[in-house]
Formats: sequence, C-alpha cells, structure tokens
Amino acid sequence: DADVTQTPRNRITKTGKRIMLECSQTKGHDRMYWYRQDPGLGLRLIYYSFDVKDINKGEISDGYSVSRQAQAKFSLSLESAIPNQTALYFCATGDSKNTGELFFGEGSRLTVL
Amino acid sequence: QKEVEQNSGPLSVPEGAIASLNCTYSDQGSQSFFWYRQYSGKSPELIMFIYSNGDKEDGRFTAQLNKASQYVSLLIRDSQPSDSATYLCAVNSGGSNYKLTFGKGTLLTVNP
Repeated sequence: DADVTQTPRNRITKTGKRIMLECSQTKGHDRMYWYRQDPGLGLRLIYYSFDVKDINKGEISDGYSVSRQAQAKFSLSLESAIPNQTALYFCATGDSKNTGELFFGEGSRLTVL
Repeated sequence: QKEVEQNSGPLSVPEGAIASLNCTYSDQGSQSFFWYRQYSGKSPELIMFIYSNGDKEDGRFTAQLNKASQYVSLLIRDSQPSDSATYLCAVNSGGSNYKLTFGKGTLLTVNP
C-alpha cells in the first residue's frame, strides 16, 4: 500500500459542484501539502500545513479550502468547481526533522466540465 | 515572487551519453535544492538534494550548486532509456519552514 494515499484518483464533475480530495499518510510526517500540476505550468502550491492546528495559503489558494482533520489526514475542497480547476492534484508530506524531502501521493486527476 | 527557471526541453541524448539539466532561482536566501524525477502520469520522486556549494555525487547522478550564480544543475552519466522522464528542480527558500517552489521541469529523452 502507498504511504501517501489520495482519493479519488480520478473525478469528473460539473461546474458549480463541491468537490473534496482526500489525502492520508502512514509516514508519520507532520507536514502536509497540496499542489496542482498543469501542463506547461509545473507544480504550484495551493495550501500547506505544518501540524494539525496550522494552515497556510500557498501561491494559488483562491477557490480552494483545506482541512487538517488529524496529523495523518489533509483534505482539499473546491467549494464551487470551475473548468480552470481541471488539473492533476498532488498531496505531499514532509518530516520537519529531516532534509526537507517531500513524498508525493499518486495524484488525483480532476476534470471540471 | 520567488521563481525557479528550467529549460523545458525536450532534451534528447543518446544512450550512454551525459545529460545535463540546469536550473536557476531568483531568491538569494534559498538554502536547499532538490531534483525530482517524474515519469509520465506518475508522481514526482526525489533523486537528490544539495545544500552546499560544489558537487554531490550519488551513483550516476551528480548535483552541482553555485549559490553566487544562483544556479543548480543535475548531471546524469551513462544515460539509459529508463532515465527518460521530466526532471523537476525545487528550491526551499523558507528555511526550516520547508516550502518548495518547483520549476516547470525539463523533459529528457534518452534514445537507444
């Protein structure tokens, strides 16, 4: 089983719908991140959390919200999805006690029609 | 806006050659640097990290860092077709608050 698990792996939805992407990890890491990846734009940081009570905006947080329900769980919500939120979303974890390496989940491909 | 720039490629090299991937960054305060490999449709995976000026070698891979020039590179010796992937440069400029900024990636193709 993957150490960083994302659900769903693929989702097609319609404009205006609420969508939640979930991430859970068994690595025991304190830091969790949400990135989106678009062709030609690379990975961009949406939100990040350094512990359960800590939530921080990344460079492209507009239209998104997050919840850190537990150290192992970090969910990303799109309250009202729009087509330009069609992308590949990655959850990542990191350990504040090590080198700063991020470990990525397998990705969630979201299509908003 | 902290920026990380990479040549998007594609970079094409013959099998057995040295592939050279380059990255520049804008934030002079950046402290640690990472190279990730991403196969098509897969998630990024770490190849190497480097903190200090100079070279760091790990098997066929060598990372090079020049903080004065704000430049980091990755050399892949004896390139193999299995090295064909997109290589992402990532920079941490947040100190102990690790928050990586990624470049857009360079697509490498190794031809048999």
